[in-house]
Amino acid sequence: AQSVTQLGSHVSVSEGALVLLRCNYSSSVPPYLFWYVQYPNQGLQLLLKYTSAATLVKGINGFEAEFKKSETSFHLTKPSAHMSDAAEYFCAVSGTGGFKTIFGAGTRLFVKA
Amino acid sequence: DSGVTQTPKHLITATGQRVTLRCSPRSGDLSVYWYQQSLDQGLQFLIHYYNGEERAKGNILERFSAQQFPDLHSELNLSSLELGDSALYFCASSVELGGPSTDTQYFGPGTRLTVL
Repeated sequence: AQSVTQLGSHVSVSEGALVLLRCNYSSSVPPYLFWYVQYPNQGLQLLLKYTSAATLVKGINGFEAEFKKSETSFHLTKPSAHMSDAAEYFCAVSGTGGFKTIFGAGTRLFVKA
Repeated sequence: DSGVTQTPKHLITATGQRVTLRCSPRSGDLSVYWYQQSLDQGLQFLIHYYNGEERAKGNILERFSAQQFPDLHSELNLSSLELGDSALYFCASSVELGGPSTDTQYFGPGTRLTVL
């Protein structure tokens, strides 16, 4: 079985500060891991995807995530927050062998001026 | 623009009614997924179709049904609507040539359903 836990339904940072959004997963098969972003009144958009190549994955808009198997984590980071990063972020896990994609509950990121 | 289109953008209807939501996947994508997003339930997977065949079911009510047509567009039918069905309904598509769920899903802009 697969599951995703996003720690913190809301995260608030100041503009220019580090962004860290946490995601832990469980999977009985090697996982594929995704981060999606949802801006207000829009659909979800892929930020980045891990598919067992490099453990550090770089995505769009300066975001990156590191796959840590020992910690079953796939945390999303960005060195310097921008006001335009305010959105909801979803971590998702899937895998081969018939597993459907499971989305986390989402973390809403607030960026303060 | 993800390339996935959904119509209508907004839908307001009354309890007990039936509505149909339509989704056109990206060109070349064989898989279509439907999701429901509400404030209290978050993003819930409803159903997945691959090349016209149902592949997986999630938290889809019996009052809801879907299908994928030969041209790969999909429709989600919601009947006997209740106030609690008010939500954003997203469609997503992916290539998914072989194994399921490992490909990126591309989401449409959603249909906002309001049941009064």
